[in-house]
Amino acid sequence: NAGVMQNPRHLVRRRGQEARLRCSPMKGHSHVYWYRQLPEEGLKFMVYLQKENIIDESGMPKERFSAEFPKEGPSILRIQQVVRGDSAAYFCASSGVEFNEKLFFGSGTQLSVL
Amino acid sequence: DAKTTQPPSMDCAEGRAANLPCNHSTISGNEYVYWYRQIHSQGPQYIIHGLKNNETNEMASLIITEDRKSSTLILPHATLRDTAVYYCIVGFGNEKLTFGTGTRLTIIP
Repeated sequence: NAGVMQNPRHLVRRRGQEARLRCSPMKGHSHVYWYRQLPEEGLKFMVYLQKENIIDESGMPKERFSAEFPKEGPSILRIQQVVRGDSAAYFCASSGVEFNEKLFFGSGTQLSVL
Repeated sequence: DAKTTQPPSMDCAEGRAANLPCNHSTISGNEYVYWYRQIHSQGPQYIIHGLKNNETNEMASLIITEDRKSSTLILPHATLRDTAVYYCIVGFGNEKLTFGTGTRLTIIP
């Protein structure tokens, strides 16, 4: 009974490249949330998705960042043309459909931009 | 803009109760208080949440003041594995929970 799975665990990209971060929610969960954490800071909400729908992307930068959660397969956070400031830990969480169901977080992807 | 205020760090002796305070003086009537913790570089872990009544589960107890402007998370018998950053969050449902900088709790052997 696997929890939230994120891969890769570590990702190194050079400036200008693309980064694709994957998140498989817990079995039975249809809500996915992405958060970003800079060193020594708290987690910042980025986007909330349900299957095939973006519910709230108010925390996403307007350019270069996109997210999807297709009907089949994992949720993907995509960062185009990465810059050094994108270096951070990116965490995915999932929950069920009931109100206030607790969030289960993955172990995160540490993105390093050279 | 932070909705909660927490001390940046606290120490607690192993085996003693750890009491972590949180101020949330601008909490709205329908907002909940959630507690999560993050053990070094791992994803956050849910601990407990409440609206206005005190709550207890296998991990902790949550005491919310009658005016709901502050709360205390209690770990009854702290162990070394409880060393973590503890986040007190105010919100309504899981959408857009805002994690501040939390309290770094260190359990001392």
